[in-house]
Amino acid sequence: AQTVTQSQPEMSVQEAETVTLSCTYDTSESDYYLFWYKQPPSRQMILVIRQEAYKQQNATENRFSVNFQKAAKSFSLKISDSQLGDAAMYFCAYSDSTLGRLYFGRGTQLTVWP
Amino acid sequence: EAQVTQNPRYLITVTGKKLTVTCSQNMNHEYMSWYRQDPGLGLRQIYYSMNVEVTDKGDVPEGYKVSRKEKRNFPLILESPSPNQTSLYFCASSTLTGLAYEQYFGPGTRLTVT
Repeated sequence: AQTVTQSQPEMSVQEAETVTLSCTYDTSESDYYLFWYKQPPSRQMILVIRQEAYKQQNATENRFSVNFQKAAKSFSLKISDSQLGDAAMYFCAYSDSTLGRLYFGRGTQLTVWP
Repeated sequence: EAQVTQNPRYLITVTGKKLTVTCSQNMNHEYMSWYRQDPGLGLRQIYYSMNVEVTDKGDVPEGYKVSRKEKRNFPLILESPSPNQTSLYFCASSTLTGLAYEQYFGPGTRLTVT
């Protein structure tokens, strides 16, 4: 089974500052997908950003961007200009392109201070 | 509105009393999946289905059953619930073409087994 590791159970950031959440994964595949999901207190799972392994360019969605290092099997999420609404649990996830399964890390709880 | 619905949203039951959690999606997705979320463990996959009448085990299938008789529905069955199945359950669906494997999640079902 694939493993996804989030080494930071908790992180905090000041409003308007930048924070980076770390994620590493283990796979022998060359083609796969990586995701960051956000889970606010409502418990709804919200897709933040996705990255295809075959794409060298790092994905960006407004204030959210990733640093994808394929050789290092690292997939960190950078949140710029943090807002109070960014406070949530963030999950890194890996999907095998052939099976369509989704493997999650254990999550990073992000607190945003005003 | 494109969505994944789950019912019930909250359920308290007793050990051994069979229950079913329903999941339905209106996006004509081929792929559907069930996950459980436990504190400190992230989300773990229970079962998934690549299409009608095709189901397969995820990481934690013991004590659960699923069926996929229709494309839109993917119920989760607990034949004899036990307290260790107390958890937050998510259903998700995805297309297998285009932007593949971007899973859309339902709102979650909070299950308590006493």
